[in-house]
Amino acid sequence: GESVGLHLPTLSVQEGDNSIINCAYSNSASDYFIWYKQESGKGPQFIIDIRSNMDKRQGQRVTVLLNKTVKHLSLQIAATQPGDSAVYFCAESNQGGKLIFGQGTELSVKP
Amino acid sequence: EAEVAQSPRYKITEKSQAVAFWCDPISGHATLYWYRQILGQGPELLVQFQDESVVDDSQLPKDRFSAERLKGVDSTLKIQPAELGDSAMYLCASSTTGNTEAFFGQGTRLTVV
Repeated sequence: GESVGLHLPTLSVQEGDNSIINCAYSNSASDYFIWYKQESGKGPQFIIDIRSNMDKRQGQRVTVLLNKTVKHLSLQIAATQPGDSAVYFCAESNQGGKLIFGQGTELSVKP
Repeated sequence: EAEVAQSPRYKITEKSQAVAFWCDPISGHATLYWYRQILGQGPELLVQFQDESVVDDSQLPKDRFSAERLKGVDSTLKIQPAELGDSAMYLCASSTTGNTEAFFGQGTRLTVV
């Protein structure tokens, strides 16, 4: 069946360093991907999205890369700050269908 | 800033009891979702509404769960009877029609004892 999974369950980085969070997906028909950030006790918060006709998209301090050949998605956070500490989820959908979330990666930023 | 409102934030109930959660989506958002999130995992879709109609409830345990959105605005998710395995975060999200980007509420943390 469809699945979206993350390579690393936890990631610890030094404040100011760049962070890279990875995600693998299995449904080659997925055409839309989103990264969400979830802080403790809160709902997921939209960070950035990308469609399958793109391989890179940039936001403020964040970049999402999509490699359809190997079905891999990554989120890069530049100059990571303590406020970036949270669990990050990737999610996929196919032609506007329901979002399927991965397991999540916990990002911990050390001061 | 518009937000998805959910209540209550926390609920403790005994197994076999009934429990209900309420969600008020962002104004103008015709699509409403209920997700369940078990600790340490990603959210899983339970039910999706388009206005007052259910468009996907394939993952909703219909023997004990029910959801309604009678006027196409706010929505209620009910569990009766609650089981220990229902302990989780219940998240509501909404989006504009045809837009997969969903905005989530703070969730209701349910503990069944």
